Amino acid sequence: EAGVAQSPRYKIIEKRQSVAFWCNPISGHATLYWYQQILGQGPKLLIQFQNNGVVDDSQLPKDRFSAERLKGVDSTLKIQPAKLEDSAVYLCASSPGGLAIGYEQYFGPGTRLTVT
Amino acid sequence: EDKVVQSPLSLVVHEGDTVTLNCSYEVTNFRSLLWYKQEKKAPTFLFMLTSSGIEKKSGRLSSILDKKELFSILNITATQTGDSAIYLCAVEWRGAQKLVFGQGTRLTINP
Repeated sequence: EAGVAQSPRYKIIEKRQSVAFWCNPISGHATLYWYQQILGQGPKLLIQFQNNGVVDDSQLPKDRFSAERLKGVDSTLKIQPAKLEDSAVYLCASSPGGLAIGYEQYFGPGTRLTVT
Repeated sequence: EDKVVQSPLSLVVHEGDTVTLNCSYEVTNFRSLLWYKQEKKAPTFLFMLTSSGIEKKSGRLSSILDKKELFSILNITATQTGDSAIYLCAVEWRGAQKLVFGQGTRLTINP
């Protein structure tokens, strides 16, 4: 079973530039998550999709961050314009969804963003 | 506010030692607690705990949950250098399929 794919793996941009990250979840997984992990901290959920609908985006800085999941499969996360504090690893994860008690999220390799 | 707190934040031990990592939580509508190991970038799943007092075990790793005192521990016995990683604890909200992560414990095993 192929895992969660993300690209690019690394990105360096200057502040005020824009950047986009791509994620392809595990085939058949209904739920997709984007996390931001700042150095020394645990992952923080930015946005959660169920199929192509947004379930939770309460911690997404909507003035500069946007995300979409067209056709309920791939997803892109965009930052425009970037700030220095956006430097972090952006993790994409997916899960099968459903109402079973307990579940696992499968994480992609992440994209390390450095804003200079 | 829901929160997950891990301790210690950093731990350095020698190969062969036993370590205990702690995770406490304050989460409404608790459903499960998960442990992940993060070596490079992607956290990899270790355990999921839903019931108090039932130990989950995988090789040298084991974990247990106390839902009354709202904490979990992760034990690693006979540590090896390959156990060096960040260990993340996360709690799932009931009905939300959403995880709240702690800040992680950075474990370093010296030969």
